[in-house]
Amino acid sequence: GAGVSQSPSNKVTEKGKDVELRCDPISGHTALYWYRQSLGQGLEFLIYFQGNSAPDKSGLPSDRFSAERTGGSVSTLTIQRTQQEDSAVYLCASYQKGRAHGYTFGSGTRLTVV
Amino acid sequence: DQQVKQNSPSLSVQEGRISILNCDYTNSMFDYFLWYKKYPAEGPTFLISISSIKDKNEDGRFTVFLNKSAKHLSLHIVPSQPGDSAVYFCAASASDYKLSFGAGTTVTVRA
Repeated sequence: GAGVSQSPSNKVTEKGKDVELRCDPISGHTALYWYRQSLGQGLEFLIYFQGNSAPDKSGLPSDRFSAERTGGSVSTLTIQRTQQEDSAVYLCASYQKGRAHGYTFGSGTRLTVV
Repeated sequence: DQQVKQNSPSLSVQEGRISILNCDYTNSMFDYFLWYKKYPAEGPTFLISISSIKDKNEDGRFTVFLNKSAKHLSLHIVPSQPGDSAVYFCAASASDYKLSFGAGTTVTVRA
């Protein structure tokens, strides 16, 4: 597609439930990133996929968070046993190496844990 | 560990005047700096960038200045327009392409 697509755009879930967030990056972009923005905070790095290399998971806040990228394209971020502090906007971005303009972000998924 | 800091959470400026947004960083390995603009309910969009080998980059109404010795960069918007009202994020990266973002500055342009 022309841009990075994320779904759902909004998700309200009960504490303790699992959620899956989806990201469709720009076709041909080899790198994919997940960030999150909590209320009043900057963008917090979560995880980074680059081609077939092992992902950089250094930003994942706990082992309740995991992500995968299938076939080098679509990525799913899974949060197990959600907590209220997981409430945030989760942003996905893709990147084409060598381009000077950095990432292209999706519109994000607003997750609310009640 | 916040490696990129935007110490002003908000800025209000009159239409037609200059907006100056500031950003400081701590990691001397950063060699590429970007500014992103974000409207509500949308993802951040790229605005302008600068490589560490330069000290100024200009694109229309937007100019970014880099002072490496002070580990400081700024974004100038002149003249400011109502459509510039948004949240502006400063970001920086080293060779690994992973961006570190500041907390953002909310700009409000008054008519």
